[in-house]
Amino acid sequence: DQQVKQNSPSLSVQEGRISILNCDYTNSMFDYFLWYKKYPAEGPTFLISISSIKDKNEDGRFTVFLNKSAKHLSLHIVPSQPGDSAVYFCAASDSNDYKLSFGAGTTVTVRA
Amino acid sequence: KAGVTQTPRYLIKTRGQQVTLSCSPISGHRSVSWYQQTPGQGLQFLFEYFSETQRNKGNFPGRFSGRQFSNSRSEMNVSTLELGDSALYLCASRNGWGDEQYFGPGTRLTVT
Repeated sequence: DQQVKQNSPSLSVQEGRISILNCDYTNSMFDYFLWYKKYPAEGPTFLISISSIKDKNEDGRFTVFLNKSAKHLSLHIVPSQPGDSAVYFCAASDSNDYKLSFGAGTTVTVRA
Repeated sequence: KAGVTQTPRYLIKTRGQQVTLSCSPISGHRSVSWYQQTPGQGLQFLFEYFSETQRNKGNFPGRFSGRQFSNSRSEMNVSTLELGDSALYLCASRNGWGDEQYFGPGTRLTVT
């Protein structure tokens, strides 16, 4: 059963605008959340993470927000660039075993 | 440091056959995890090995097995292949418990 859900399979955004990717989870034991980015023919690469003791983490153009009560997290990319076109996976883990559960991914296309 | 390498990159097998995939982690990393990626399902966790011991296991049938060698290299075996086993198999390594995972490019398995 999918414990991490990304309900939007795709997102198209204009270059320079904000991309917002959403992710919901069901397991209340999850306390560490990550976003990975994947280009075709490559493995996923780590983008940004957040632990459950925080509600926001920023790294350059990327910000992740965590709403524990809603079991929801989001990734904001500002401004979006053509190189951001990729598949983005949300992942979560429980610090008891650090086994990652992934969402199905959201394909982001940044239009020039 | 060289990244995670996986061999072969592409493989075509027939139903009923078995297959072995190989993963070499980043030098110094002691943990190797395996994931199956299929369209619409995201990455499904198969198992994780740490210092030659299976530490975690996902919800896959016993046809999926793995092992890790003393040099941290890992192999994954799938016996009695089914059409539904067609997927991208990704391997990831990390140094220790809770560390970030680094993914290889994957092996694309097609079962006909």
